[in-house]
Amino acid sequence: ILNVEQSPQSLHVQEGDSTNFTCSFPSSNFYALHWYRWETAKSPEALFVMTLNGDEKKKGRISATLNTKEGYSYLYIKGSQPEDSATYLCAQNSGNTPLVFGKGTRLSVIA
Amino acid sequence: DGGITQSPKYLFRKEGQNVTLSCEQNLNHDAMYWYRQDPGQGLRLIYYSQIVNDFQKGDIAEGYSVSREKKESFPLTVTSAQKNPTAFYLCASSVGVWETQYFGPGTRLLVL
Repeated sequence: ILNVEQSPQSLHVQEGDSTNFTCSFPSSNFYALHWYRWETAKSPEALFVMTLNGDEKKKGRISATLNTKEGYSYLYIKGSQPEDSATYLCAQNSGNTPLVFGKGTRLSVIA
Repeated sequence: DGGITQSPKYLFRKEGQNVTLSCEQNLNHDAMYWYRQDPGQGLRLIYYSQIVNDFQKGDIAEGYSVSREKKESFPLTVTSAQKNPTAFYLCASSVGVWETQYFGPGTRLLVL
């Protein structure tokens, strides 16, 4: 069973601060790394899918990087806004297997 | 609009009772999933199905059963054998099992 770890478990930042958090995963048999955003009272929504070592993806103020050799991905949020408050989930799979999710990082942005 | 629907939003179960949670999708996705979320836990996979009439156990399948008779539907039954059913249940679907998943709004199950 894959073990996907996320850190920190939660964090609070001031509006305008930039922040980042980590997803660690086994580097063997890697196929893809997914990031989701889960806002309160809503369904998780996909942010990025990354497959290649060194991949970088960006959507507005949010970006992600991938290192498959050492087994980690970073999610960055530049200039955090209150609407960025959510739980950010990462998930990994190995080929023809379902995603394995981490426990998430809960971000609270204080105005 | 295309999407995934789950019903009901809240469900109450009495001791010893089986209850069924509904999940329907009109995205034409082959793969469907059921997850359970408990406070402080991530999403844990209960069952998944890659194609109609086929499904596999996830990490916590004991006390649950599923069926996949139609591509659009993947109902989950919480049986009386599941001793701690109180949780938030999410259904998802994807084109293939390795692809991005799309989630429904969830069902919260409470035990009376």
